[in-house]
Amino acid sequence: KNEVEQSPQNLTAQEGEFITINCSYSVGISALHWLQQHPGGGIVSLFMLSSGKKKHGRLIATINIQEKHSSLHITASHPRDSAVYICAVKGGTSGSRLTFGEGTQLTVNP
Amino acid sequence: DSGVTQTPKHLITATGQRVTLRCSPRSGDLSVYWYQQSLDQGLQFLIHYYNGEERAKGNILERFSAQQFPDLHSELNLSSLELGDSALYFCASSPRDPIYNEQFFGPGTRLTVL
Repeated sequence: KNEVEQSPQNLTAQEGEFITINCSYSVGISALHWLQQHPGGGIVSLFMLSSGKKKHGRLIATINIQEKHSSLHITASHPRDSAVYICAVKGGTSGSRLTFGEGTQLTVNP
Repeated sequence: DSGVTQTPKHLITATGQRVTLRCSPRSGDLSVYWYQQSLDQGLQFLIHYYNGEERAKGNILERFSAQQFPDLHSELNLSSLELGDSALYFCASSPRDPIYNEQFFGPGTRLTVL
């Protein structure tokens, strides 16, 4: 079993829909990252969080440390949100290195 | 633009060859991480350098080596290349205290081994 599990693996939505991507982890962490990877391959850091909730524009990330679970929400989704979203954790015995989930491929249709 | 630069963007080479990938971290960042993204393994941590010293090693093959220079840029050397080494190689940098700070990713180097 992977230390970081994401669901769903693939997600197709219509423009305007509310989207949720989930991430569960099985190890102790100091922080969790949400990353976005576009088809060209580049990786952008969306959030780093260790507790509570963060919001940036239409993106919201939450984390529940006790349940070892995080969610990434996208409100009013748009075709330009189409990308792979990757959850990654760091801390505990792994130090500052990132351990990654397998990613969620999001496609938003117009 | 994250401020992290990687060269080259693309590299095509043959099995058995040796290549060097270069990474320049964001100004002021002391930590450099190398990650490999392959189709079958996803993103995996290779190695971490902090201010010139190796801090941690992940699933890095013995054929691979890295170093961080006094100006803080880093190089990842891949030798005796095999088809399975074809992947995207990312470096990421982080400020002085990497545990509590984000990692900023470079654009990656796409390596194709033929």
